[in-house]
Amino acid sequence: SQKIEQNSEALNIQEGKTATLTCNYTNYSPAYLQWYRQDPGRGPVFLLLIRENEKEKRKERLKVTFDTTLKQSLFHITASQPADSATYLCALDMGWGKFQFGAGTQVVVTP
Amino acid sequence: EAGVAQSPRYKIIEKRQSVAFWCNPISGHATLYWYQQILGQGPKLLIQFQNNGVVDDSQLPKDRFSAERLKGVDSTLKIQPAKLEDSAVYLCASSFADHVSGYTFGSGTRLTVV
Repeated sequence: SQKIEQNSEALNIQEGKTATLTCNYTNYSPAYLQWYRQDPGRGPVFLLLIRENEKEKRKERLKVTFDTTLKQSLFHITASQPADSATYLCALDMGWGKFQFGAGTQVVVTP
Repeated sequence: EAGVAQSPRYKIIEKRQSVAFWCNPISGHATLYWYQQILGQGPKLLIQFQNNGVVDDSQLPKDRFSAERLKGVDSTLKIQPAKLEDSAVYLCASSFADHVSGYTFGSGTRLTVV
């Protein structure tokens, strides 16, 4: 399995700014990498998937990058809003449809 | 589209008791997963089913945990006997066989073992 590192400290950001989260891994580069959002008391919600041959993926105000050389994915929330406050999890493909999750980074967007 | 249904929502049991969780995945999703999420950690895979067959149960503590998926649809996860360290949220997720459209998770069952 992989060692997956996400910032354990909460990211506090002002509304309207861009939040940038990191997901670093240590071993082999996965074929896919996913990002999920998790609100308290709820299950994770799928946001984006990026393939190893894709450098960047966008969805509305979200942008994900995947650098297999650095073994890192960055997750950006542009023009952040208080409703974006949640924990964001990255998940790495382990083959056969299995994904290993990081511990997540909490984002707090203040007005 | 209906989501992944899980029950119960909460459960409190004493150690050494048994407990069972139920999951109904999204219709048409061939793959079903059970994850354990301890507070402050990411979800950890316990078992993966493809239709009604087990694909991976390497991280399932088989001395106390068991799971089945009847007729390739609903699934149950059982713990017997429970230990204090089993206190966690148990999440069920399902996906299409291609896996690239992401998992759909249920809201989970929060288990407290006292």
